[in-house]
Amino acid sequence: AQKVTQAQTEISVVEKEDVTLDCVYETRDTTYYLFWYKQPPSGELVFLIRRNSFDEQNEISGRYSWNFQKSTSSFNFTITASQVVDSAVYFCALRRTGRRALTFGSGTRLQVQP
Amino acid sequence: DTAVSQTPKYLVTQMGNDKSIKCEQNLGHDTMYWYKQDSKKFLKIMFSYNNKELIINETVPNRFSPKSPDKAHLNLHINSLELGDSAVYFCASSQVGTSGRRDEQYFGPGTRLTVT
Repeated sequence: AQKVTQAQTEISVVEKEDVTLDCVYETRDTTYYLFWYKQPPSGELVFLIRRNSFDEQNEISGRYSWNFQKSTSSFNFTITASQVVDSAVYFCALRRTGRRALTFGSGTRLQVQP
Repeated sequence: DTAVSQTPKYLVTQMGNDKSIKCEQNLGHDTMYWYKQDSKKFLKIMFSYNNKELIINETVPNRFSPKSPDKAHLNLHINSLELGDSAVYFCASSQVGTSGRRDEQYFGPGTRLTVT
């Protein structure tokens, strides 16, 4: 069985603070894929990143960065210098090889106060 | 141009009614999905179709029936609606890469179903 845990239900920060959203996953597969999606208040789901299990390089995209650590089964997401527009629910998800559906974590609601 | 579209965006109906939600993708993807997001924001896969063939059918009441007339469309029909069916339903699509790697899923805007 596979599982994704986002232990932080809600985080509130003040604009310009850095914030890290945690994601821990469980899978018996050796090859798998990890994702982050953003769900702003408008409700749509926006794809942010995909990471393959065999690629442990960290990734940076503007103010966003992701830290993938296979040893701790974690795929954490950091927003640097947060902005009000970053306020959303963020979902971490896992897809195993051979199964096309995503297993989502319960989401972390991020509120960035001005 | 909308990549994955769903209609309607909002659906309010009474218990016992039958309703359908339509989904279309113009990305040329070969796989489509239905996910359900409950009131606590938890997202769970319901169905998946690959080239019009059902490949995933999670533990979903048989009142829910997906139909894929072609690989660009995946509709969801719900019979005898119940209060517990109230949720946001998301359609998504993806394409298997030529290397065998699955590509990311693109989601539609969601359909908020309210059963009264």
